[in-house]
Amino acid sequence: DIQMTQSPSTLSASVGDRVTITCRASHSISSWLAWYQQKPGKAPNLLIYKASSLESGVPSRFSGSGSGTEFTLTISSLQPDDFATYYCQQYNSYPYTFGQGTKVEIK
Amino acid sequence: EVQVLESGGGLIQPGGSLRLSCAASGFTFSSYTIHWVRQAPGRGLEWVSAISGGGDITFYADSVKGRFTISRDNSKNTLSLQLNSLRAEDTALYYCAKEASPGGIDSWGQGTLVTVSS
Repeated sequence: DIQMTQSPSTLSASVGDRVTITCRASHSISSWLAWYQQKPGKAPNLLIYKASSLESGVPSRFSGSGSGTEFTLTISSLQPDDFATYYCQQYNSYPYTFGQGTKVEIK
Repeated sequence: EVQVLESGGGLIQPGGSLRLSCAASGFTFSSYTIHWVRQAPGRGLEWVSAISGGGDITFYADSVKGRFTISRDNSKNTLSLQLNSLRAEDTALYYCAKEASPGGIDSWGQGTLVTVSS
């Protein structure tokens, strides 16, 4: 199985900050990676697919990059609505696996 | 509008069984792989199972293989997850979710809660 490791686990930031979350795969997954945002009590929301493609309706301040085993999610200017938990997920092969999550908190 | 609605959760004793259902609308159901993803209280997301659009190919996480069975009825736009030999560690909110064509999961239900406890 492919293991996904996110860092950091928790991130404290202020509105307007540039934020970067890293996701590493235990084996190469090409670009078969998705990023999700989840707020308390809500289902996850797809932000990025195929490592760098922005899902329709997602603000352009979100971007993804990487391929192979190392990936990043960047929020260019953190907004109040962005304080949430973010997950990466590989869909290169089954079983699909998620990272453990990164909680973005208010500094 | 794509809609996914789970049902069937509840309180069950260890070793017991439960059948979760998922009703979908707003898209061509038989064309999409559908997933179950769960989230234990206060924990992260865990992928559980998936079934191809035609229902002929299924996948399971190692943690549920041999105990859970996924199936679908494309004539009714419904999906099921049969949970057997339940354990305390199966306690979670179970989401039914549609795979997006380019990848990732783009439509999620609100989840149904399964609590395994004596």
